[in-house]
Amino acid sequence: RKEVEQDPGPFNVPEGATVAFNCTYSNSASQSFFWYRQDCRKEPKLLMSVYSSGNEDGRFTAQLNRASQYISLLIRDSKLSDSATYLCVVNMEGNTGKLIFGQGTTLQVKP
Amino acid sequence: GAVVSQHPSWVICKSGTSVKIECRSLDFQATTMFWYRQFPKQSLMLMATSNEGSKATYEQGVEKDKFLINHASLTLSTLTVTSAHPEDSSFYICSARDPLRGILKTQYFGPGTRLLVL
Repeated sequence: RKEVEQDPGPFNVPEGATVAFNCTYSNSASQSFFWYRQDCRKEPKLLMSVYSSGNEDGRFTAQLNRASQYISLLIRDSKLSDSATYLCVVNMEGNTGKLIFGQGTTLQVKP
Repeated sequence: GAVVSQHPSWVICKSGTSVKIECRSLDFQATTMFWYRQFPKQSLMLMATSNEGSKATYEQGVEKDKFLINHASLTLSTLTVTSAHPEDSSFYICSARDPLRGILKTQYFGPGTRLLVL
């Protein structure tokens, strides 16, 4: 079983749609959680951290369910520029900063 | 935000040659840097953790004698792919953690180096 699992997609949605991505992680001792965005042939960039209470940043909402070891990302009012691969990332060892990446979910927003 | 640079951005080399990739933190000091590799349509895989002034910690399955890591200063880590072969062709990305703003262990990534071994 992979340490961090995501549905690779692709998710093809029209502009303005709401889309949700899910992610599960296997290690219950995981401490920190993130969503990164990676554009084609580019490095990953931090989209947002994920907190247990849930957090929102504009059109993006992230939620964490520690009991189910489940993380989600909701994107409202999708824009063409949201097309990218979204990586679910977990910090497995708090002090070393070691990150484990999911395979990524590809989003294509169509006009 | 924090800036991490990598050099070179592209490398094409013949099989058997060695390739050095540099990773620099430009506006902060990074005691720890990380080296990842990403094959097409796959996730980033951590290769090793580079610690300033000490030996790197390699992940299981990564040959330390093939992927030499040197972290001689607080702003520079280098990865040398020795005797590169076509199967080493990949996207190599470094990252660094700014200890002053790394409360949640976020990492800042370099732009990556694409290596093609012919």
